[in-house]
Amino acid sequence: SQTIHQWPATLVQPVGSPLSLECTVEGTSNPNLYWYRQAAGRGLQLLFYSVGIGQISSEVPQNLSASRPQDRQFILSSKKLLLSDSGFYLCAWSAGESLNLHFGNGTRLTVT
Amino acid sequence: AQKVTQAQTEISVVEKEDVTLDCVYETRDTTYYLFWYKQPPSGELVFLIRRNSFDEQNEISGRYSWNFQKSTSSFNFTITASQVVDSAVYFCALPYNFNKFYFGSGTKLNVKP
Repeated sequence: SQTIHQWPATLVQPVGSPLSLECTVEGTSNPNLYWYRQAAGRGLQLLFYSVGIGQISSEVPQNLSASRPQDRQFILSSKKLLLSDSGFYLCAWSAGESLNLHFGNGTRLTVT
Repeated sequence: AQKVTQAQTEISVVEKEDVTLDCVYETRDTTYYLFWYKQPPSGELVFLIRRNSFDEQNEISGRYSWNFQKSTSSFNFTITASQVVDSAVYFCALPYNFNKFYFGSGTKLNVKP
């Protein structure tokens, strides 16, 4: 069966520090991968999605970047965090004809 | 581009009441899918249902039912005899090009005992 791992679960980082959130998927090949952000009390904002290794589409210009170094690995990064980067970050995957998004447990990031 | 509107920001009901969550969408696609997800307080999103634009039949799953109407571009979700465990944020979603998912802003449902 397919599983998605996202870590860490919580993270507190100072303004100006770098960020690296990692997401891996098991049990499927060539998935579409996504990063979403949910600000407190708000909806889900699509940040990045990827249909293959090295193929990244950015939805919103911002302080963040994403990379997909391996088929089932998706990384969200920042060189210098801003206070506005605080939020709940969710990784998700979809594949094949199911079209269903499968979400990780999320990372709650607080930038202080 | 796709657009999903969930006008109800927050709804509070007492246990055993029925409640309907609204979802209105916009798309230029002739074929599309619509989804509902549940986000309990723990944070993870749980898939509830997927509907194809060709299938307008209402669907029922236990206490949950969905009303899909292309004429009004709506895909509403009804919980019958609500329970405290139904308390969560519910999202409606509409993928673009079958892979980019756009979500509504969500409706927070509070079910009080």
